[in-house]
Amino acid sequence: DSGVTQTPKHLITATGQRVTLRCSPRSGDLSVYWYQQSLDQGLQFLIQYYNGEERAKGNILERFSAQQFPDLHSELNLSSLELGDSALYFCASSVAGPLAGATSTDTQYFGPGTRLTVL
Amino acid sequence: DAKTTQPPSMDCAEGRAANLPCNHSTISGNEYVYWYRQIHSQGPQYIIHGLKNNETNEMASLIITEDRKSSTLILPHATLRDTAVYYCIVRAQKTSYDKVIFGPGTSLSVIP
Repeated sequence: DSGVTQTPKHLITATGQRVTLRCSPRSGDLSVYWYQQSLDQGLQFLIQYYNGEERAKGNILERFSAQQFPDLHSELNLSSLELGDSALYFCASSVAGPLAGATSTDTQYFGPGTRLTVL
Repeated sequence: DAKTTQPPSMDCAEGRAANLPCNHSTISGNEYVYWYRQIHSQGPQYIIHGLKNNETNEMASLIITEDRKSSTLILPHATLRDTAVYYCIVRAQKTSYDKVIFGPGTSLSVIP
């Protein structure tokens, strides 16, 4: 158990719909990362938040958005869903950031993922 | 593009050491080498990381060449449960605001 939780585990929805995926980081971690993994594909970095602020952006579609709340949990919102959005979505957390200790690193701890199926 | 290159697949006999190579020839001085693995569709699992010295933990050993341009992850006694995709990435220490880039990794098959 990594200490990172994601809900829901599975989500089935229809094209054109909007869904929200939720992630709770490990206690003490200020950075949250979102990744997409399509069938037989590698991990595609979407976005990173640190202490509530967006810090790095990957190939995240404009239909997707994310935010990190004051309690440090994060949500990934996917809208106008298409068949190709069906994938595993992983969240990870780390202590990385300006407030981290001098010896800290960017070790990421991943959640179990949310499997999204768009029909 | 990934900053690391790895062989797409490897086989290893159960009980033998699995040596997984990774090239990172453009690594910067402040970048660590991290290894993760992903078993089937589970969330990736952190294995080990290092800067320039060799590292060992309960899961594996990491050998980094003196010029830091390549490294090898060693699973000393591979078991069937070590069958997974292994990812090698490089990341800066502490303040990492670059895109995280995972390559396709190495698919390790441990054979009975």
